[in-house]
Amino acid sequence: AAGVIQSPRHLIKEKRETATLKCYPIPRHDTVYWYQQGPGQDPQFLISFYEKMQSDKGSIPDRFSAQQFSDYHSELNMSSLELGDSALYFCASSPDREGEQYFGPGTRLTVT
Amino acid sequence: QQQVKQSPQSLIVQKGGISIINCAYENTAFDYFPWYQQFPGKGPALLIAIRPDVSEKKEGRFTISFNKSAKQFSLHIMDSQPGDSATYFCAASRRGGNKLTFGTGTQLKVEL
Repeated sequence: AAGVIQSPRHLIKEKRETATLKCYPIPRHDTVYWYQQGPGQDPQFLISFYEKMQSDKGSIPDRFSAQQFSDYHSELNMSSLELGDSALYFCASSPDREGEQYFGPGTRLTVT
Repeated sequence: QQQVKQSPQSLIVQKGGISIINCAYENTAFDYFPWYQQFPGKGPALLIAIRPDVSEKKEGRFTISFNKSAKQFSLHIMDSQPGDSATYFCAASRRGGNKLTFGTGTQLKVEL
C-alpha cells in the first residue's frame, strides 16, 4: 500500500539559512498535518491543511510557513533557521478531517 | 502543560508477558484516542484507535481499554515479543479533523 512520502529524508543547513520540506500524502487523502519531534520528545503539532486550505495552527514559529498545493502535496518552508530547529519533521495524511493520521518517514533537519 | 499524561516512561517486559501502558487526559472535548508505535528514526505507525462510544477494542495482540468517566485509556500488548521493543505514544484529538496531542511516550523493551 502507498504511504506518505517525505523529501528530503535528511537535510543539513547552517544557521540563518532556509529549508523547504516536502510531503506527498497517500493518494486520495486530502488532509495533511505537520509535526515536529525533538530528540526524546513527543511529536508537536505545527500546522494542518484540508482541501488546500489551512485548517489548524499549532506552535509554529512565524519564521515557518506552509501550504498545500492543487495536487495535495504540501511544503513546509523554514527561514532564518536556528539551532533549536534541529529535529525530525513528520508529515501525516488523512482521508478526511476525522480519519486516522498516517505518518511519513520524516525529514531529519540538522542546523549547524 | 501536558494535556495527555502517559506512564510509565519506560517498561521492561519478559517475552510472552503482557505490556501495559496508561494514559490520562483532561480535555473532555477529546473523542478520538489512537496509539502509535515508533522505532528509532522512523515515523510513528498507527497501531489501534478507539472512540469513547466503546470501552474496549481488540486487534490481534493489541487491546485498548477506555474509561470515559475516569478519562483514562490504556494499551495492552499480549504475548509481548522482542520485535515489539519500541516507543509507544498515546494521543488524543477532537472530532473535526484536529491535531493530535501526544503523550510523552513509553520506551518498551521486551527481553528474551
